[in-house]
Amino acid sequence: GENVEQHPSTLSVQEGDSAVIKCTYSDSASNYFPWYKQELGKGPQLIIDIRSNVGEKKDQRIAVTLNKTAKHFSLHITETQPEDSAVYFCAAGYGQNFVFGPGTRLSVLP
Amino acid sequence: EPEVTQTPSHQVTQMGQEVILRCVPISNHLYFYWYRQILGQKVEFLVSFYNNEISEKSEIFDDQFSVERPDGSNFTLKIRSTKLEDSAMYFCASSGLNDPRGTDTQYFGPGTRLTVL
Repeated sequence: GENVEQHPSTLSVQEGDSAVIKCTYSDSASNYFPWYKQELGKGPQLIIDIRSNVGEKKDQRIAVTLNKTAKHFSLHITETQPEDSAVYFCAAGYGQNFVFGPGTRLSVLP
Repeated sequence: EPEVTQTPSHQVTQMGQEVILRCVPISNHLYFYWYRQILGQKVEFLVSFYNNEISEKSEIFDDQFSVERPDGSNFTLKIRSTKLEDSAMYFCASSGLNDPRGTDTQYFGPGTRLTVL
């Protein structure tokens, strides 16, 4: 089955700096890679996703890159703000089934 | 924006008791899911459900678990005889064929915190 690893487990950045979170996956059949943000006491919220026919996708301050050959994908947040502080999960899979990574706790320091 | 809702937000039960967690998926979605998140750990897939039957289930989803769509709007997860290790956040999610972000885009509810004493 699919196995997703995620690094780092914790990340602290100064407000305004960029944050990068990296994930690797094992199943070459995976073709869908969503990123979720989870704030304390809430459910995961989809922030961006990418499919295997695209190498990069951007939505305002958030971008995701995908390298299918190397089986890794990354989340980039630019101009970080305190409200970006949360746990971020990557996931990989196909169809309706995907596996989550272990999460990265991002702290944006004012 | 449509959202997935879950009730109750927090459920406390005694070990060995049955619990039913309830979810109302987004109204035009046809695929439904349950996930579990033990405190401080990653989100784990339990089961997916489509066309009134289970599509896929994980090793966690043993005979103590069952799912049901009792009517046109609710989707439930039942744990027959709860164990201490069932304590976790349980998230419901749904996805739909006509979702503008894609059929495989899953939207999560706020979760139910289950505490087994």
